[in-house]
This record gives sequence, structure tokens and C-alpha cells, in this order.
Amino acid sequence: RKEVEQDPGPFNVPEGATVAFNCTYSNSASQSFFWYRQDCRKEPKLLMSVYSSGNEDGRFTAQLNRASQYISLLIRDSKLSDSATYLCVVNTGGFKTIFGAGTRLFVKA
Amino acid sequence: SQTIHQWPATLVQPVGSPLSLECTVEGTSNPNLYWYRQAAGRGLQLLFYSVGIGQISSEVPQNLSASRPQDRQFILSSKKLLLSDSGFYLCACPRKSGTDNEQFFGPGTRLTVL
Repeated sequence: RKEVEQDPGPFNVPEGATVAFNCTYSNSASQSFFWYRQDCRKEPKLLMSVYSSGNEDGRFTAQLNRASQYISLLIRDSKLSDSATYLCVVNTGGFKTIFGAGTRLFVKA
Repeated sequence: SQTIHQWPATLVQPVGSPLSLECTVEGTSNPNLYWYRQAAGRGLQLLFYSVGIGQISSEVPQNLSASRPQDRQFILSSKKLLLSDSGFYLCACPRKSGTDNEQFFGPGTRLTVL
């Protein structure tokens, strides 16, 4: 089993749609959780941290379920500029940061 | 604020040739530094990390090596490249983000081995 698993997609959605990405992780001792965004041929960049209480940043909402070892990202009112690959990232403490393979999103006009 | 420089940005090398990729960090001192590789359509794979000058830990066996000759310099090398070494190589260091430490990446080096 992979340490961090994501649906690879691609997700093809129209502008204005709501889209949700899911991620599961295997290490119950994981401590920190993130969503990163990676544009084509660019480095990954932090989108948002994920907390147990859930957190929201504009159109983006992230949730963490420690009991189920599950992380989600919800994007509302999708924009063309949201097209990218979204990486689920888990830190197990110390130097171990594990990146999921990513979910590709295409937002179309 | 932290900045990571990587060069070259793009590299095309023949199989069997040597490799040297450089990463330098500004805006922080004594950082932990990381080398990742992202193969086409794959996730990021941690190759090496370093907690200080001369201190290197390898995460996966391979024909690559890393060195840290200075506090803010991290070098990835190979004596003989393989086709499977092709990929996007990213240097990273932790950066404070709220209460967490995010992995902050340099712009990367895209390596094609022919």
C-alpha cells in the first residue's frame, strides 16, 4: 500500500463547478498535512495546510479525518486558472514528508 | 524571505555521462536541505536530505550522490547517468507556514538522459 494515495484523475470540470479531491494516508502517526498545487513543468507550491477542525481559504476548503486517515480538498466555483495538479502531502515527523502522486484537474470554459 | 536557486534549469545528457546539479539557498541559515526527483507522471521521490555541512542521508539506493560543501549549498551528482535518471529534480528546504513547516521548493532542473 502506498503511504499517500490519491485518485490520479484527470478531473474535467466546467467553469463554476465544485470539485472534490480525496487522499488517504497509511501512517497513523502522521503529524502535518498539506495540499500543494503544481502547474505544468513547475515546482509544487503550498496551497494550504490541513487541520482537524477543517480550514477554508476563499474557494478552497480542506478537511482532515484522523480516524479514517483521510484528507480532502474542495474547490468551489472553479476557475480556468485552477487547472493544475493537486498534491496531497503528509509529514510523519522529522524529515519524512511524503507526497502523493497528484490529481490532475482541468477546468474548461 | 527564503529563496532557492537551482541550475541549470534544463539539461540534456547522454547515457554514461557525469552529472552535477547545484542548489543554493538564501534567506535562512543552517537549513535542512532535500533533493527530490519527479519522474514523468509520478509523485515526488525523496532522494537525499542533509541537516548540515557534510551530513547526507540517502533515502533510496541509486547511482546518484549528494554533497553539502557549504551551509547553503547542496549538490546532486552522478558519475554515470542512466536513462532512468531522467526527471525533474527539485531542491527543497522547510519554511515556516503558520504552525507548520512546509516544504519550499526551488524552480527545479529538468534532466533528460538520452
